[in-house]
Amino acid sequence: DVKVTQSSRYLVKRTGEKVFLECVQDMDHENMFWYRQDPGLGLRLIYFSYDVKMKEKGDIPEGYSVSREKKERFSLILESASTNQTSMYLCASKVYSLSYNEQFFGPGTRLTVL
Amino acid sequence: GENVEQHPSTLSVQEGDSAVIKCTYSDSASNYFPWYKQELGKRPQLIIDIRSNVGEKKDQRIAVTLNKTAKHFSLHITETQPEDSAVYFCAARMKTSYDKVIFGPGTSLSVIP
Repeated sequence: DVKVTQSSRYLVKRTGEKVFLECVQDMDHENMFWYRQDPGLGLRLIYFSYDVKMKEKGDIPEGYSVSREKKERFSLILESASTNQTSMYLCASKVYSLSYNEQFFGPGTRLTVL
Repeated sequence: GENVEQHPSTLSVQEGDSAVIKCTYSDSASNYFPWYKQELGKRPQLIIDIRSNVGEKKDQRIAVTLNKTAKHFSLHITETQPEDSAVYFCAARMKTSYDKVIFGPGTSLSVIP
């Protein structure tokens, strides 16, 4: 079974803090994604990566950065957390393939910024 | 820009009835349309998908239909059961090099016993 894990299930931070969210997958997947989930807005793509050290902006990259130094690990960084970044953050991974397309999600990190 | 709309946002059905969720997409080059189910407190999981060269796909009680001309696709659940209660997300893959998928806002389905 594909396993995608995230470093924390719940996180509480203060405004202005630098926040690191980590995601690790164990299936040698090329593609990794960070989404933000808010009620009524679905899953919105923040950043994705298709290879080590490669990244692309998604739909809402402002206020976020990412790092992918190793294939299995994809980190989301909030440089200076703000209250409007309070949300559920989901990581996902998938193999790079035109014929096999399932994304495997992590359990999510619920971040609260006070 | 790239967009996926989904309706209704909430749906309540009696156990045994059918449920239909509809989505529209903006990018006519989209070629892959997955549906994910997210139970309360759990991660989204793929339940069915369809490619742009297929009009309909069925897997037991769930089916998906695709109308490329109208740029819409639908999820049909027959003989609903309480365990079908969840949030369902449709999505469309953009035809880019990097496998970008755009998700709809989700439909919260409640199946009343």
